[in-house]
Amino acid sequence: DVKVTQSSRYLVKRTGEKVFLECVQDMDHENMFWYRQDPGLGLRLIYFSYDVKMKEKGDIPEGYSVSREKKERFSLILESASTNQTSMYLCASSFLRGSGYTFGSGTRLTVV
Amino acid sequence: AQSVTQPDIHITVSEGASLELRCNYSYGATPYLFWYVQSPGQGLQLLLKYFSGDTLVQGIKGFEAEFKRSQSSFNLRKPSVHWSDAAEYFCAVKDSGNTGKLIFGQGTTLQVKP
Repeated sequence: DVKVTQSSRYLVKRTGEKVFLECVQDMDHENMFWYRQDPGLGLRLIYFSYDVKMKEKGDIPEGYSVSREKKERFSLILESASTNQTSMYLCASSFLRGSGYTFGSGTRLTVV
Repeated sequence: AQSVTQPDIHITVSEGASLELRCNYSYGATPYLFWYVQSPGQGLQLLLKYFSGDTLVQGIKGFEAEFKRSQSSFNLRKPSVHWSDAAEYFCAVKDSGNTGKLIFGQGTTLQVKP
């Protein structure tokens, strides 16, 4: 089975800090995605990538950036964390465009 | 633009009872459709998917879903619910572009009464 690993399950960061969320997949998937999940709002796409060094903005990219230097790793960066970025962050990957995602277990980020 | 609607935010069923979770989508062509389940504090797990062919799709954990083009629906069903099925369920449709993006519904939280 494909495994998508998010480096932290829980993170607490201070306002203004630069935050890195890491995601690694082990099945050579081209596509990788970052979502945030908030109660009542469902899953919202932040950024995605369909190849190394390629990135595309999703629906809510403001305040975030991403990095994909290697195929297996997709990092989400909060340039200057704010309290409204407190959320559950979910990483996903897929092999074919439209084949469905495999999700990581999520990182619950709290910004204080 | 494509969209997915899950009309029920919360559903409560008794253990052993049947379950149907509703999902409606808007999409011009034949959609790629998915159901995911999320246990508390976890990521999402794929239950089943529909791309083409037989409109009744079998998934894991005893779930099935039926694609009805005339109703733009892809409802999830289970004949007998177990307490361990309590979770949040998401319906999704693949975006019409080439990106592989999925568009998710808002989710339905299932509570199972003993």
